[in-house]
Amino acid sequence: AQTVTQSQPEMSVQEAETVTLSCTYDTSESDYYLFWYKQPPSRQMILVIRQEAYKQQNATENRFSVNFQKAAKSFSLKISDSQLGDAAMYFCAYSPKRSEKLVFGKGTKLTVNP
Amino acid sequence: ETGVTQSPTHLIKTRGQQVTLRCSSQSGHNTVSWYQQALGQGPQFIFQYYREEENGRGNFPPRFSGLQFPNYSSELNVNALELDDSALYLCASSFRGRNTGELFFGEGSRLTVL
Repeated sequence: AQTVTQSQPEMSVQEAETVTLSCTYDTSESDYYLFWYKQPPSRQMILVIRQEAYKQQNATENRFSVNFQKAAKSFSLKISDSQLGDAAMYFCAYSPKRSEKLVFGKGTKLTVNP
Repeated sequence: ETGVTQSPTHLIKTRGQQVTLRCSSQSGHNTVSWYQQALGQGPQFIFQYYREEENGRGNFPPRFSGLQFPNYSSELNVNALELDDSALYLCASSFRGRNTGELFFGEGSRLTVL
């Protein structure tokens, strides 16, 4: 069975600084997707960034980037120039290709201090 | 483009009762998935509907059932409610065929079972 583990229940960062959230996963599949979703207090899950497993290049979206280590089954999220609006729960998620069924980690609560 | 909408946003039920939650998928999407998010946890996959048929189910008992309608909207029904069913229920839609793995989430229905 596929599993996703987020070992940091809570993290904090100073505004304008950089923070990295960790995620590891387990799967026997070779082709899959990995995601980071953000869930603010409004509850709606918002996609932050997506990585396709067969692509070696790490995905980036503006201030958000990932470090994808396929052999180590590691998928960390780096947030640069942190902003107050980045404060939220962050969930790492896995999906086999052509499945659209996500397996989520337990989440990391990110606090941004002014 | 209309996003995913869910109703009701909050509801309270008592043990043994039945509940129906509703979801309108994002326009252009043909697949609907339901997730249960207990307090402090990541969402867990309940089931997915495609072309009005169940297309995959997580580790949930048969008293969790669903429907997808021709307009791709969906219902989640839970019978014989238990205290542990208290959670945020998230609906997510996607377009099978686009093959991005990305889901679009609604804001959820918060169910409290007393």
